[in-house]
Amino acid sequence: AQSVSQHNHHVILSEAASLELGCNYSYGGTVNLFWYVQYPGQHLQLLLKYFSGDPLVKGIKGFEAEFIKSKFSFNLRKPSVQWSDTAEYFCAVNEPSGYALNFGKGTSLLVTP
Amino acid sequence: DAGITQSPRHKVTETGTPVTLRCHQTENHRYMYWYRQDPGHGLRLIHYSYGVKDTDKGEVSDGYSVSRSKTEDFLLTLESATSSQTSVYFCAISGRQGVSSYEQYFGPGTRLTVT
Repeated sequence: AQSVSQHNHHVILSEAASLELGCNYSYGGTVNLFWYVQYPGQHLQLLLKYFSGDPLVKGIKGFEAEFIKSKFSFNLRKPSVQWSDTAEYFCAVNEPSGYALNFGKGTSLLVTP
Repeated sequence: DAGITQSPRHKVTETGTPVTLRCHQTENHRYMYWYRQDPGHGLRLIHYSYGVKDTDKGEVSDGYSVSRSKTEDFLLTLESATSSQTSVYFCAISGRQGVSSYEQYFGPGTRLTVT
């Protein structure tokens, strides 16, 4: 089974700072990639997804992610974070042969005013 | 809102008792999943279903069973609950017509405490 690694477990940023969260996966074949966000006390919501095509994908709330196949990475970015972005962020990967998702362990983001 | 509900939302039970969690969806998604979320582990797949009466095991299936007798409902049963099964359980769905089957939508979660 493939694994998904998120390098930053806890990140603290000030409002207006730029964000980049790392995600790497171990599977070498064709994959589908996702970022989910979980606000405090809520369920997971899909931020963005990559299936194929342009490796730079844009999601909701100003987030974007770049798929770099040679690095097995799918890093999440946002140019300027807001206090409301405080949440836990999960990277997830699945293989085209199956629909279940493999999740990273998550990154907890705290944005301070 | 992807039309997915979970019940109960919170439950406290004693070690050794059976527990059943229910996931209900209203949008005719073909695939349904049960995950558990624990601090430091992210979400891990317990079981999933790819159709009525069609289920398969996930990464952490020991101690859990599932059933899907109709499209809308996917039940997760802990036959004899243990303290290690204290967790937040999320149901997810995918595979509605017109939407990629790889794109999953999550329910609100059930917080289960086993004492």
